[in-house]
Formats: sequence, structure tokens, C-alpha cells
Amino acid sequence: DQQVKQNSPSLSVQEGRISILNCDYTNSMFDYFLWYKKYPAEGPTFLISISSIKDKNEDGRFTVFLNKSAKHLSLHIVPSQPGDSAVYFCAAMRSGGNKLVFGAGTILRVKS
Amino acid sequence: EPEVTQTPSHQVTQMGQEVILRCVPISNHLYFYWYRQILGQKVEFLVSFYNNEISEKSEIFDDQFSVERPDGSNFTLKIRSTKLEDSAMYFCASSERLDQETQYFGPGTRLLVL
Repeated sequence: DQQVKQNSPSLSVQEGRISILNCDYTNSMFDYFLWYKKYPAEGPTFLISISSIKDKNEDGRFTVFLNKSAKHLSLHIVPSQPGDSAVYFCAAMRSGGNKLVFGAGTILRVKS
Repeated sequence: EPEVTQTPSHQVTQMGQEVILRCVPISNHLYFYWYRQILGQKVEFLVSFYNNEISEKSEIFDDQFSVERPDGSNFTLKIRSTKLEDSAMYFCASSERLDQETQYFGPGTRLLVL
């Protein structure tokens, strides 16, 4: 199932700089997108979401951008902190549905 | 802050045995889900449950799987006869509403089938 793709398996960023995590999707029926953060041996923790009627949503250090025409979303973390080091999953849901479709995840390492 | 809890955290079982994984969703949530993540693979949807019925299930969720809400707080996933390929992390999630609604995940149960 390749409907949601995170093409970068890993990303390394210096503390204080911006982290940009990318996600692409193929299903035009998706209208709600979420980012989750996951530490080893824990469940996914919700970070931020965006509806397809918006192109940006911001919550503190986290901002999600949605480009519907390109079927692309990105998560910006600024400034990045060592505690942000985790696996980040992009997930999508289609209109009227209740099933999340996940990407493969990107491992973010923030170096101090 | 309310959270989804799951028990046990780890379960080891022999192939062919039945296992029951337990979850306590967030108390005012009405929609419940099970997902799994096989090692090295994506998190995959198994089933969603609302008003004491399955509302959607994936092709993974075959006759060996069942879900139940036996009381007002617990939500269980039963695997009747486990196979080696059922070894995975199983995550329970819940949401307050359905459409465009955040699902909150529990910490997971690591199931190992020998």
C-alpha cells in the first residue's frame, strides 16, 4: 500500500535549526492529514493535523503545510531540539472514513 | 491528560494458541481502532468499531480476528489461532468523533508468536 509515502528514511539536523519532514500521497480522496511522533517501544503520539480546506496549520514549534495540487505535505519543526529525536509518521484519512493510512516514517535525529 | 492504555505490554505465545489483547480507550471516546506494525513495516489499520459493531475492517482482519467491547471501558482484540506472521506490535486507538478526527494511540502490545 503506497498511498502515503515518506521518501526520506532519516534526517539529521543541528539543534536550533529547522527540521523539514516531507510526505506525499496519491489518493485524492484523502482530506485529513496528521503527523505522529513515535519513540521506541511507545505508541504514536499525535503532533498536529491539517484539513484539506487549509494549506497551513501551526502549533508552537510545529507547522504543517499542505499542497493539494502536488499532493504533498510537510512538517516544519523550528527550532529543533534534541528531544525531538524520534520517528515521525505522516498519516492520511479520506472523507467520511475512519481508517488512517500511514507512511513508512522518517527517523529524525537532532544533534546538540 | 487522558490516555489510551493497553495490557499486556508484551505477550509471548505458541503458534495455534488464542490471545486476547486488551485496551482501555479514552473515556468519552466513541470510536475504537486496532492497528498493527510488523517489525520494519508500516503501521497498518486492522479494524474500527463503533456502537458495538465493526464499522470497517482491512483484508488482514480475517476470521481469526475478532473485537469486542465486553463492558463500558474495555476494548479487546482476540486472535483465535495465532500464526508466526501475527508477531507484531498491536496498537489500540480511540477518537471522540469520526470524520476528520484525531485518533489517540495506546503504547502497544508486543506480540511474539513462537
